[in-house]
Parts: sequence; structure tokens; C-alpha cells
Amino acid sequence: DGGITQSPKYLFRKEGQNVTLSCEQNLNHDAMYWYRQDPGQGLRLIYYSQIVNDFQKGDIAEGYSVSREKKESFPLTVTSAQKNPTAFYLCASSITGGGQPQHFGDGTRLSIL
Amino acid sequence: SQQGEEDPQALSIQEGENATMNCSYKTSINNLQWYRQNSGRGLVHLILIRSNEREKHSGRLRVTLDTSKKSSSLLITASRAADTASYFCATDNNNDMRFGAGTRLTVKP
Repeated sequence: DGGITQSPKYLFRKEGQNVTLSCEQNLNHDAMYWYRQDPGQGLRLIYYSQIVNDFQKGDIAEGYSVSREKKESFPLTVTSAQKNPTAFYLCASSITGGGQPQHFGDGTRLSIL
Repeated sequence: SQQGEEDPQALSIQEGENATMNCSYKTSINNLQWYRQNSGRGLVHLILIRSNEREKHSGRLRVTLDTSKKSSSLLITASRAADTASYFCATDNNNDMRFGAGTRLTVKP
């Protein structure tokens, strides 16, 4: 079955620590996205990538970094510069960019120890 | 920043009733999409309606779009307990997709 896999499902970060969230897709999609969701709120775009080796900042990129070395993979690093990282993080992909329907993983919930 | 704004924020109905959720937005759009999210899970795409379309159906779902009023509605007919979830609208404006804060639907058996 094709889909998007996010891991881990739960992650805990200590103060001053960087953590990396994994996102892998086998849908052969060109575009991939990272969103942050806070309780009772919509999704806010962190970073997106429309093609391998290229990515763009979204609305809330500060304190986060990404890479897109392979079409299938789009890992997100939450750095120590992100002072309020506790949230639900969702990865998505679409065939291309341009407002196409997005397929989502089941998220990673990040908490601070 | 968010573009779509869903209304109501929360809706509770009995199984078998219809559920209507509304989405208003501010700028022009290429298309509007509705997604569903079960608690603790990712979003699932339900339906896409283009800016030149006025109504679209998919199973028990009916979506309308009024670009003059910058609004859309999602109707779920004959609701089931399994329809309990949050529903989000997302607007696309020149490759810039924005999600609203969602409507939390509870369907009581």
C-alpha cells in the first residue's frame, strides 16, 4: 500500500537538544510539506519542497530545518532555537505543488521534558 | 496565517441527522478542499471544488462554493457515529494552500 510514514509517533525533547522527525513516502510524489498543529487550531506551514534538493520556508520556519536529498524522504529537525516546540507535527505530500490534494502521515507528537 | 475560517467551531448531532459546516475565506482562490481528521491522526482529503464550480457531490458529501460571497459549505447527509471527527477547509491561491481551524463534529449514536 502506498502512503506516508512518520516516525516516531511520540518524541520527547530535552532543553537545548535538536531532534529529527522522519517522513517517508512511497507515492512517487514530487511535493512534500511539514505542518505544525497546535490544540484546537489549523495547520501552519513550516517548510515545503516541490522537488529534490530544493525547499522553501513556510510561515513559521524559524527554529526548524529540513533536507530533501531523496524524493521519498523529507526529514524535519526541530532545533534548540525553537523555544516552543510542543505540538503535533504533520508531514504531507502531493503529486505536484500547485494546490493538489495532499496526503498526510499520522503525525508525530513532540513534547518537552 | 489562516485563510479559511470554519463555522461553527463545534457541532453535535444525532446519528441520521445532516451536518452542515461552513467555510469563509478572504482572498480569491483557485480551488477549495475539505479534509477530515480523526483524533490523533493525519488529515484525509475528502473533496476538491474548483473556483469555476458551484457544487460537487461525493457519496454522502455535498460541497457548495459561492465565490461572490467567498464561502463554501460541506453537508454530510445521514450522519453516522463514524463521521465524528474534525473537518477542515483549505483554500489554494496560486500554489499557496491555507487551512482553517476546523469544525469539531460529534455524531451521537
